[in-house]
Amino acid sequence: DTEVTQTPKHLVMGMTNKKSLKCEQHMGHRAMYWYKQKAKKPPELMFVYSYEKLSINESVPSRFSPECPNSSLLNLHLHALQPEDSALYLCASSQEQGGSYEQYFGPGTRLTVT
Amino acid sequence: AQKITQTQPGMFVQEKEAVTLDCTYDTSDPSYGLFWYKQPSSGEMIFLIYQGSYDQQNATEGRYSLNFQKARKSANLVISASQLGDSAMYFCAMREWGGSNYKLTFGKGTLLTVNP
Repeated sequence: DTEVTQTPKHLVMGMTNKKSLKCEQHMGHRAMYWYKQKAKKPPELMFVYSYEKLSINESVPSRFSPECPNSSLLNLHLHALQPEDSALYLCASSQEQGGSYEQYFGPGTRLTVT
Repeated sequence: AQKITQTQPGMFVQEKEAVTLDCTYDTSDPSYGLFWYKQPSSGEMIFLIYQGSYDQQNATEGRYSLNFQKARKSANLVISASQLGDSAMYFCAMREWGGSNYKLTFGKGTLLTVNP
């Protein structure tokens, strides 16, 4: 089973709203990732959690706040977003041991900021 | 300089034929991994195949094979017996195990269309 789930699938929010994206995996993977993808572009890394600790923050604006409550869950809290933040947000996870380093992605959340 | 270069923005192939998607990479790290992902219009990124820099043999996974030419720094994806469901965007990506080794660097992608 290589399933990563993400909720919601679609989200429309105003610039003053607060919302959260959720990601879950039950593969025992030790690293989890948030990516942002604009149309017709490759994904851009935002954050990496390794063993539930924030390992990489790619200079993401503070209106995006990640959280890793446990080894299976990853949240992305959104506050005061801008219209240019509209994109597909992808979560991924990887095992990071035993020679297995590929990242498995969830289906994504399509975010529209109005 | 781009670390991953995919020179084919779009490719067309007839159903049941083979197709090669090009990928070249640039790194000074002797230890790295190369990945191919498929992204249908639905949006999900699907892992296809992996090649490590020290792997002696080319990776294969079903209809997918990776033509790894280390000296040329190329890692082309070969899809045999194309199917209509193969129509998607394909991304080549690299991880360098030195430095910030969790980071997956993607190419710009190749949009593959399989014609019936």
